[in-house]
Amino acid sequence: KNEVEQSPQNLTAQEGEFITINCSYSVGISALHWLQQHPGGGIVSLFMLSSGKKKHGRLIATINIQEKHSSLHITASHPRDSAVYICAVDSGGSNYKLTFGKGTLLTVNP
Amino acid sequence: EPEVTQTPSHQVTQMGQEVILRCVPISNHLYFYWYRQILGQKVEFLVSFYNNEISEKSEIFDDQFSVERPDGSNFTLKIRSTKLEDSAMYFCASTDYEQYFGPGTRLTVT
Repeated sequence: KNEVEQSPQNLTAQEGEFITINCSYSVGISALHWLQQHPGGGIVSLFMLSSGKKKHGRLIATINIQEKHSSLHITASHPRDSAVYICAVDSGGSNYKLTFGKGTLLTVNP
Repeated sequence: EPEVTQTPSHQVTQMGQEVILRCVPISNHLYFYWYRQILGQKVEFLVSFYNNEISEKSEIFDDQFSVERPDGSNFTLKIRSTKLEDSAMYFCASTDYEQYFGPGTRLTVT
């Protein structure tokens, strides 16, 4: 069973700061997902990674398969980035089900 | 952009009653999922569905739960006799490799 740990659990930043959220997992995976959950609950997929690095706007996600570790970076953070960021892994197998971390609550103050 | 839809957005029911949560996955996706998030906790896998049958279920998915794809578009989760501890946000998702989540149904059991 894959254990997914995120750090920090809570993060408060000032607008414009560079943000890093970390995720580690215990068992090899076929893919790692970064998700965003806003108050009210809806979940939006930000990235799916199996190796290397991906960038979308101000968001960057990296993964190190050997170290079983991924990071999500937000450059030039903005109050609208305030949300819960969730790391989830697909441990392989045939049905792509996800195992989730507890999430990181990010608050960006103006 | 195609999206996963869920109805209702909020369901209030009394303990012991049956509830059916409905989802319309993205039309060309083959794998469907139900996940659950109890307030303040992480998202948990309930069940995956492929080729009109359950492909995997978690320990949570006991005999009180069932899933069905009654026609070509809908995907339902039924809870036969609800308990207080079934109160949670229920997310439907579908995948063509990347997972797409519905907005969730908040179930409140009183």
